[in-house]
Amino acid sequence: DGGITQSPKYLFRKEGQNVTLSCEQNLNHDAMYWYRQDPGQGLRLIYYSQIVNDFQKGDIAEGYSVSREKKESFPLTVTSAQKNPTAFYLCASSVPSRENGYTFGSGTRLTVV
Amino acid sequence: QQQVKQSPQSLIVQKGGISIINCAYENTAFDYFPWYQQFPGKGPALLIAIRPDVSEKKEGRFTISFNKSAKQFSLHIMDSQPGDSATYFCAASSMEYGNKLVFGAGTILRVKS
Repeated sequence: DGGITQSPKYLFRKEGQNVTLSCEQNLNHDAMYWYRQDPGQGLRLIYYSQIVNDFQKGDIAEGYSVSREKKESFPLTVTSAQKNPTAFYLCASSVPSRENGYTFGSGTRLTVV
Repeated sequence: QQQVKQSPQSLIVQKGGISIINCAYENTAFDYFPWYQQFPGKGPALLIAIRPDVSEKKEGRFTISFNKSAKQFSLHIMDSQPGDSATYFCAASSMEYGNKLVFGAGTILRVKS
């Protein structure tokens, strides 16, 4: 079955540490996205990539970094510069046609301890 | 300008009743308005979408009403069922901004049996 796999599902990090969240898709989608979900704030765009080896900042990119070396993979690194990293992180992918919508992964819940 | 405002934040409806969620936007460049449904611990999934050239779109028990002049759109869930209990997000995008989705804050719907 095609889809998006995010791992791990739960992640605990100590303050001051960097952590990388994995996102892999086998849908052959060109575009991939990272969103952060906080209660009452909806989904906020962190980074997006419309093609391999290219990515752009979203609305809340500070303290995060990404890479897009392969079409299938779009890992997100939460750095120690992110002031409030505890959140639910969602990865998504899409084709150019908007009618198909975004396909989301099941998310990674990151907790800073 | 890039915001989508969603209300209410939470909603409780009796089984068989009508659930109504409203969204408003400012950016007239938006030309695609999807709704996503999210169950706990899962990523959102596309539910239904509308373009501004139509005033209403219906798919089963789900209907989007769109008012272009008022820059508002709403989701109606007819004959609401306990299985509809989820978080609902409205969203908007425009080709002018690379088709990236801007999400509302979300509405937590609970259907009481």
